[in-house]
Amino acid sequence: GESVGLHLPTLSVQEGDNSIINCAYSNSASDYFIWYKQESGKGPQFIIDIRSNMDKRQGQRVTVLLNKTVKHLSLQIAATQPGDSAVYFCAEKRTKAAGNKLTFGGGTRVLVKP
Amino acid sequence: EPEVTQTPSHQVTQMGQEVILRCVPISNHLYFYWYRQILGQKVEFLVSFYNNEISEKSEIFDDQFSVERPDGSNFTLKIRSTKLEDSAMYFCASSLGQGNTEAFFGQGTRLTVV
Repeated sequence: GESVGLHLPTLSVQEGDNSIINCAYSNSASDYFIWYKQESGKGPQFIIDIRSNMDKRQGQRVTVLLNKTVKHLSLQIAATQPGDSAVYFCAEKRTKAAGNKLTFGGGTRVLVKP
Repeated sequence: EPEVTQTPSHQVTQMGQEVILRCVPISNHLYFYWYRQILGQKVEFLVSFYNNEISEKSEIFDDQFSVERPDGSNFTLKIRSTKLEDSAMYFCASSLGQGNTEAFFGQGTRLTVV
């Protein structure tokens, strides 16, 4: 999910269902990818990361999938809970670059319905 | 759990005035960053700082911006003459190393230029 201006794509999901959030990245040189969660009024919070030599990584209730062929990243949240309601950003980085900067995608808002 | 702290949480300033946003990164971290987020948009990189010098800056980070690590704990962002378009959330972040190490973000300072 990419956003344009003020219009964030929104994923509405029933509590207990699985969520899938998608992200397209642009820089072929990026070799490290991260998903961040941002709750209202707070800073981005690290969820999970993956290096470019992997195509899947699992955490607690979350799985990140990386498809380098089509430059696509996804975050799967299992058994979505009300506390998962937030905006989710993917970010990419070139680990060999001097500045160590993160380039963020546009964000997807996840709304969990009780 | 160690965290990045930012002050103030909200700053209102008149156009043309100077502002200083303050951050205390996590104590053993070596890399420091400033990002900003205009309301409803994605997080944008401003500057990264390592070994007491800027290692990378974005196009946004023009001559009106400067960063400083005045002592062993604080990391500041100064905007010399604020413009209306500088209104945004400003996030400080820090990381232990570069490469595939996690960046921790503060809660942000909301800057409103009137």
